[in-house]
Amino acid sequence: QKEVEQNSGPLSVPEGAIASLNCTYSDRGSQSFFWYRQYSGKSPELIMSIYSNGDKEDGRFTAQLNKASQYVSLLIRDSQPSDSATYLCAVKNGDYKLSFGAGTTVTVRA
Amino acid sequence: SAVISQKPSRDICQRGTSLTIQCQVDSQVTMMFWYRQQPGQSLTLIATANQGSEATYESGFVIDKFPISRPNLTFSTLTVSNMSPEDSSIYLCSVDSANTEAFFGQGTRLTVV
Repeated sequence: QKEVEQNSGPLSVPEGAIASLNCTYSDRGSQSFFWYRQYSGKSPELIMSIYSNGDKEDGRFTAQLNKASQYVSLLIRDSQPSDSATYLCAVKNGDYKLSFGAGTTVTVRA
Repeated sequence: SAVISQKPSRDICQRGTSLTIQCQVDSQVTMMFWYRQQPGQSLTLIATANQGSEATYESGFVIDKFPISRPNLTFSTLTVSNMSPEDSSIYLCSVDSANTEAFFGQGTRLTVV
């Protein structure tokens, strides 16, 4: 069983729509959760971190965490063509190490 | 967040040779990590670079193939030894200063021919 699983892509959404990305993790003791955005040929860029159950909003991005269900999601509202990228879900355990999901590629159609 | 400088940004190397990648941070950080991202894949942790001691390698990675140095709290190197085409990947340095958020260097795109 993979430690971190993301919904398979690619995900194509029209400009202005909501893109919804999902992630589940296997280690119930995980404490920290992150979403990274990676443009083609670039390194991952941190866009959201979440540590407690509930929602966390930052601009057009909302992260949701449900530790009981071992589930974390990312919503991108009012999607823009510049949001077209691969989004990586990452989970950190007590040893500082990050486990990454396979990534979901999002394409925003103009 | 820390500013991370990684070099070289890319290189094309002959099989059988070695390449050393450098990672420099503008502030002291507790943890430094090296990741590999193979074409079309996600990130896989190679090892944790420990300051003043031997690196801690993940399953499937060994010191003879990927020797790592970390002489101080701001600098680390990763060497890819005796390279083969299967080593063609992006190699990424990551830092984490307070067990909160991890940030990445620009990456090194390695092609082995």
